[in-house]
Amino acid sequence: DGGITQSPKYLFRKEGQNVTLSCEQNLNHDAMYWYRQDPGQGLRLIYYSQIVNDFQKGDIAEGYSVSREKKESFPLTVTSAQKNPTAFYLCASSSLPGQVTGNTIYFGEGSWLTVV
Amino acid sequence: AQKITQTQPGMFVQEKEAVTLDCTYDTSDPSYGLFWYKQPSSGEMIFLIYQGSYDQQNATEGRYSLNFQKARKSANLVISASQLGDSAMYFCAMRENNAGNMLTFGGGTRLMVKP
Repeated sequence: DGGITQSPKYLFRKEGQNVTLSCEQNLNHDAMYWYRQDPGQGLRLIYYSQIVNDFQKGDIAEGYSVSREKKESFPLTVTSAQKNPTAFYLCASSSLPGQVTGNTIYFGEGSWLTVV
Repeated sequence: AQKITQTQPGMFVQEKEAVTLDCTYDTSDPSYGLFWYKQPSSGEMIFLIYQGSYDQQNATEGRYSLNFQKARKSANLVISASQLGDSAMYFCAMRENNAGNMLTFGGGTRLMVKP
């Protein structure tokens, strides 16, 4: 099946630890995104990437890092510098505008991160 | 300034009636796209409908239609014949072609369908 796979679904982090959330897509999409959602709120962009080995900061990049070594993969690391990391994290991908199916952005099922 | 504004934090609608969810946006980019997503309590984001800034006609997808008023910068979602399964959060989002193609979301509207 084609789609976006995020793992783990639930993750607990101790204070001071780095954790990495996985995002893999088999849709052959060029663009990938990471969003954070706090309870009852909208989605805020953390990082995005339009091409392998290149990515840009979104609105709330502080305390997060990403890599894009392969087209299919865009892992997000939540570092100890992120002071309030408890949230729901969503990964998304899309073709670029102008490409076939460039008008649809697909989301994974999300990962819940809780600091304990 | 907010790029996407959804002014209705919560709404009720009677089953089988139509409902309109409001969305206004702000951009100076002549080329952009507007999206609506549904988020049930499970958290997944379900794509509903898309409207391009150059599209001449309002988008429709089954029971969903988008009332696109470009001069007023509004892109309201209309759901016809509401069903109990429509109860969820609904998000409006915009993609600006001159801003890295990233998607910016509004704060969402919680829709509750009454039986």
